[in-house]
Amino acid sequence: DAGITQSPRYKITETGRQVTLMCHQTWSHSYMFWYRQDLGHGLRLIYYSAAADITDKGEVPDGYVVSRSKTENFPLTLESATRSQTSVYFCASSAPGQGASGANVLTFGAGSRLTVL
Amino acid sequence: SQKIEQNSEALNIQEGKTATLTCNYTNYSPAYLQWYRQDPGRGPVFLLLIRENEKEKRKERLKVTFDTTLKQSLFHITASQPADSATYLCALPSGGYNKLIFGAGTRLAVHP
Repeated sequence: DAGITQSPRYKITETGRQVTLMCHQTWSHSYMFWYRQDLGHGLRLIYYSAAADITDKGEVPDGYVVSRSKTENFPLTLESATRSQTSVYFCASSAPGQGASGANVLTFGAGSRLTVL
Repeated sequence: SQKIEQNSEALNIQEGKTATLTCNYTNYSPAYLQWYRQDPGRGPVFLLLIRENEKEKRKERLKVTFDTTLKQSLFHITASQPADSATYLCALPSGGYNKLIFGAGTRLAVHP
């Protein structure tokens, strides 16, 4: 199916465990992003990637690791999950330079709800 | 660093009225600003983009304005319907690769 898919949609884990959230897009968009959404904070950028093998930190990168070996995949790993990482995680993608302004218009996945006990 | 402020209180209006949501930013004026809609349990969906040299943009019942002097964007929904009930997020580019930062959003509830 065309689009951007996230898995798992729901995950419960324990403190200290490693968790990987998957993101796959079928448009060959070069830009991909990971955000977390918490009450009172809105969407905060964790990591982003401009192309395969090019990644950079966003506002809240601590405790997270990303990789981008293929254009279509952008997994997010919590190396040792903490309770403060309980959140809803959204992956998004964009083709750069959309429109005359070169603006990134994001298409989001449905989200992954992570609970860390 | 750039910060975005949206009214955190929910906006309740009657069906048929015009809803007006506000987005304020604190620092430099961005090259463009975007509005997204988010329904419960779903990812945000892009609605409109307005560039810094545009005062107003329309799409069907939606209208966005961009005032770089006031550092503010207003988002209007005319003839509102209960189906317009959702959270509306303002976003603007910050830093390299035009990565977007988002406001916390304003929840709109349209009552029949």
